[in-house]
Amino acid sequence: DSGVTQTPKHLITATGQRVTLRCSPRSGDLSVYWYQQSLDQGLQFLIQYYNGEERAKGNILERFSAQQFPDLHSELNLSSLELGDSALYFCASSVHYNSPLHFGNGTRLTVT
Amino acid sequence: AQTVTQSQPEMSVQEAETVTLSCTYDTSESDYYLFWYKQPPSRQMILVIRQEAYKQQNATENRFSVNFQKAAKSFSLKISDSQLGDAAMYFCAYRRSNAGGTSYGKLTFGQGTILTVHP
Repeated sequence: DSGVTQTPKHLITATGQRVTLRCSPRSGDLSVYWYQQSLDQGLQFLIQYYNGEERAKGNILERFSAQQFPDLHSELNLSSLELGDSALYFCASSVHYNSPLHFGNGTRLTVT
Repeated sequence: AQTVTQSQPEMSVQEAETVTLSCTYDTSESDYYLFWYKQPPSRQMILVIRQEAYKQQNATENRFSVNFQKAAKSFSLKISDSQLGDAAMYFCAYRRSNAGGTSYGKLTFGQGTILTVHP
């Protein structure tokens, strides 16, 4: 068990809808990273927060947004969903930017 | 931008044998970290081994070892005495060692290699 908790494990929704994925980092970890894993794109970095502030942005669509709350949990919001957004979404956390990343078990999103 | 390439989409090995997974990367940085992550069917991402670029000695973790060739920008993973539980997707990943810019600790992954272990 990595100590990183992601909910829900599975999510099935329709095109055009909006969903929120939640991540609780390991105790003491200040950094949270979001990754998208799809068959055609592999593991893509989306966004990173450190102690509540956005620190790095990757290939994140404008329809997607995220935030990290004072208790350090993070949420990834996906809106106007398209079929191509179907993927496994991972959250990872680390104590510091140079510390190893610990991954959660992911949220499997299916858009129908 | 940094890129990571795993040229072997699939590999297979007999139980108890040794297998090597290849990874090359491209970077203009001199200091960085390299990782191998394992993703079994349970889909969890598990850190297998980590290498700091400034260290010449190759990292080892039990049956797992790496061959780090900095000049060639090559970072292969050797699995000795392969076990059925080693069957998984393996990802090579790169990370800058310094914060700043748009990097700030993010990992850049290769496309992965599916490893099958035959009994």
